[in-house]
Amino acid sequence: EPEVTQTPSHQVTQMGQEVILRCVPISNHLYFYWYRQILGQKVEFLVSFYNNEISEKSEIFDDQFSVERPDGSNFTLKIRSTKLEDSAMYFCASSPVETSEAFFGQGTRLTVV
Amino acid sequence: RKEVEQDPGPFNVPEGATVAFNCTYSNSASQSFFWYRQDCRKEPKLLMSVYSSGNEDGRFTAQLNRASQYISLLIRDSKLSDSATYLCVVNINNAGNMLTFGGGTRLMVKP
Repeated sequence: EPEVTQTPSHQVTQMGQEVILRCVPISNHLYFYWYRQILGQKVEFLVSFYNNEISEKSEIFDDQFSVERPDGSNFTLKIRSTKLEDSAMYFCASSPVETSEAFFGQGTRLTVV
Repeated sequence: RKEVEQDPGPFNVPEGATVAFNCTYSNSASQSFFWYRQDCRKEPKLLMSVYSSGNEDGRFTAQLNRASQYISLLIRDSKLSDSATYLCVVNINNAGNMLTFGGGTRLMVKP
């Protein structure tokens, strides 16, 4: 069964450093997303991406964040100058069409120290 | 009012019991609705989409009431493996598939 894969599974970084979280969406899907979940809190939308551009972003997704699809398979989330409050589980997801269900990767646990 | 609201639980039920979860959403223009389950420190996994006519998948039944802006999930004959957090998820804007998650309802099925 096709699945979304994310690397690394756990990333520890020092405050102020840049991190890149990587994702390989399901191959025939067209819409890609990043969500995050702070420990003990609900899953929050960050950004959606379609046709090589951002289609929607939340208030959380400020100038510190950027996304990129550098090739035909990878989808990345870059966080510049990480803060302690960026510590969370980051989930990548993809869906075949805009209003359909999204399928999630296993997540990258980011710990900022 | 929260965009997607759920009773956090926990619901503690014996094996074999029937349990129902409810969820309310604030945006009447929402079009897509889903139930996901999430195990501790794992990713959300799609359980089922929720259609206006209601839908059933084995022991699971989902209902949508647009007039009341209310979604439900019924689990029959609960199994130990059903223990998880159940997430009510709504596509609020219908643009960019921005899924809005409820806080989840925790279910514990006991032997």
